[in-house]
Amino acid sequence: AQSVTQLDSQVPVFEEAPVELRCNYSSSVSVYLFWYVQYPNQGLQLLLKYLSGSTLVKGINGFEAEFNKSQTSFHLRKPSVHISDTAEYFCAVILGANNLFFGTGTRLTVIP
Amino acid sequence: GAVVSQHPSRVICKSGTSVKIECRSLDFQATTMFWYRQFPKQSLMLMATSNEGSKATYEQGVEKDKFLINHASLTLSTLTVTSAHPEDSSFYICSAAQPLRYTEAFFGQGTRLTVV
Repeated sequence: AQSVTQLDSQVPVFEEAPVELRCNYSSSVSVYLFWYVQYPNQGLQLLLKYLSGSTLVKGINGFEAEFNKSQTSFHLRKPSVHISDTAEYFCAVILGANNLFFGTGTRLTVIP
Repeated sequence: GAVVSQHPSRVICKSGTSVKIECRSLDFQATTMFWYRQFPKQSLMLMATSNEGSKATYEQGVEKDKFLINHASLTLSTLTVTSAHPEDSSFYICSAAQPLRYTEAFFGQGTRLTVV
């Protein structure tokens, strides 16, 4: 069963426009949720994470995400994107045995 | 944040040879390290979890005799791809976590393996 679903494989957006990258998870127990960014031929960099507490989580580079338990979602948002935000974005969840399970990724392309 | 160094970043090897990839945690002790494989335009798939001083736990479908993992110290884990074949060509990424802090896993830069 898919633990993390990223419905959008590619998201093109114009520079300075807002963006939302969607992530839904499937779990009936408490989860830890993450967003990572991957630039070409590089490893992953943590953008933000939700462990507990406030459902609105702010991360690096101006990104934020909101944990919505009723909708089992953890969408990533940024009010104004830059060219440098062009990258692959992965939503991930920790379930049970402390292993990270990743979504299939969303390629964000910022158009000048 | 903590630094995890992965080496080499790129390697090209001949079919049938073995390749070793190193993953080092530079400024913390990582009792647990994870090895992932990423196919082009796909997500990361967990291959195995290694705990310092014990045998690695492999995910279903991952051949443990082909992908040898050694976690001999708290700062170093190695992945050896034995008798590599072109289908083993991929991007391999490691991550490391401190004891009881699995929600703070740090990733290496990745290794692009090409088997010719």
